[in-house]
Amino acid sequence: AQSVTQPDIHITVSEGASLELRCNYSYGATPYLFWYVQSPGQGLQLLLKYFSGDTLVQGIKGFEAEFKRSQSSFNLRKPSVHWSDAAEYFCAVGSGGSNYKLTFGKGTLLTVNP
Amino acid sequence: GAVVSQHPSWVICKSGTSVKIECRSLDFQATTMFWYRQFPKQSLMLMATSNEGSKATYEQGVEKDKFLINHASLTLSTLTVTSAHPEDSSFYICSLTQGGEQYFGPGTRLTVT
Repeated sequence: AQSVTQPDIHITVSEGASLELRCNYSYGATPYLFWYVQSPGQGLQLLLKYFSGDTLVQGIKGFEAEFKRSQSSFNLRKPSVHWSDAAEYFCAVGSGGSNYKLTFGKGTLLTVNP
Repeated sequence: GAVVSQHPSWVICKSGTSVKIECRSLDFQATTMFWYRQFPKQSLMLMATSNEGSKATYEQGVEKDKFLINHASLTLSTLTVTSAHPEDSSFYICSLTQGGEQYFGPGTRLTVT
């Protein structure tokens, strides 16, 4: 069965600083990989996804992630964090074809200091 | 992308009663929907896959007699928590897949007193 590990429960960065959120996955085949953001009182929003092809994926809000098969990782990055980026971030792996089921990591809470 | 709504957004019920949560696809006919639950400050856990016109598929450890799922039409799936107890208090979220992307509803917060 697939699993997702987000090693960092809580990260605090200063506004304008760079950000990297770590994600490691376990899956037997080539995975579908996702990053979602959840703000208080908001639903989950997809930041970016990887299905195949270019291993560097660009997403919304200036986020990007890199799929590294050798490290079973899909880390999320942003060069300059904004205060509005404060939220909970979830990495997920999908399996099961077009109607894939998602397995989520435990999430990383991002706090942004002014 | 697909727009998914849930109703109610928040419900409080007494222990022992049942509560129904609706998940609607507003602009897309979905043969498959998913139900997740999220405990406070924790991750989302897949509960079941809802299949239009057939029985839902439950994940291991999820009691199918307690969490009744009905996907009677291509735009509506319902989750009924039967004989609810305080430990069922959680955030319930549905989703569907369209065009390779999974779209989530805003969630329903259930509080059982």
